[in-house]
Amino acid sequence: NAGVMQNPRHLVRRRGQEARLRCSPVKGHSHVYWYRQLPEEGLKFMVYLQKENIIDESGMPKERFSAEFPKEGPSILRIQQVVRGDSAAYFCASSPQQGTSYGYTFGSGTRLTVV
Amino acid sequence: DAKTTQPNSMESNEEEPVHLPCNHSTISGTDYIHWYRQLPSQGPEYVIHGLTSNVNNRMASLAIAEDRKSSTLILHRATLRDAAVYYCILRDVAFGNEKLTFGTGTRLTIIP
Repeated sequence: NAGVMQNPRHLVRRRGQEARLRCSPVKGHSHVYWYRQLPEEGLKFMVYLQKENIIDESGMPKERFSAEFPKEGPSILRIQQVVRGDSAAYFCASSPQQGTSYGYTFGSGTRLTVV
Repeated sequence: DAKTTQPNSMESNEEEPVHLPCNHSTISGTDYIHWYRQLPSQGPEYVIHGLTSNVNNRMASLAIAEDRKSSTLILHRATLRDAAVYYCILRDVAFGNEKLTFGTGTRLTIIP
């Protein structure tokens, strides 16, 4: 399967812990996007990254959240000091290039539960 | 991104065609019309997109009004696996604007 791989599929963290969500894009795709879906709500854009660069982080909360897409390895969405309101499904998508009119490929998501 | 309006929910019988409408009266000349669907507990799945002309692929057809202010996603023969939330999204591929703005979509129920 050459799709977007996200892990873990489910993640449980206690309040105050750190959560690390990983995303491996489709092979050959250099553009990665993170979206968050709160319970019973639609998906909201968080951040758009290219290799080693953050292009658009307008949807990221100002504190506790960070994202990276290193030259080697998966993209990481990091949430520090998690709170109950961070409980959501986090989806990663990838595309081969910028400005394309074609669709994104999404992963199956990481469901974060904060207890 | 320009806004889209979709019915909250629709029902259809299995093995019959389904027409999912979307209104986008403020669409701009450079907006592409994209459709995604989200099955339960899954990430969104790209379905189809178009600019001005009607489009067909293995999953669905997209009919775009002549004035581009509305479009219709057509599933030719619905199966139970087509039960999902369908999102109609306008995407302007201007340089640097890579966000998808998801609305609430249409929840499609397929009746066996």
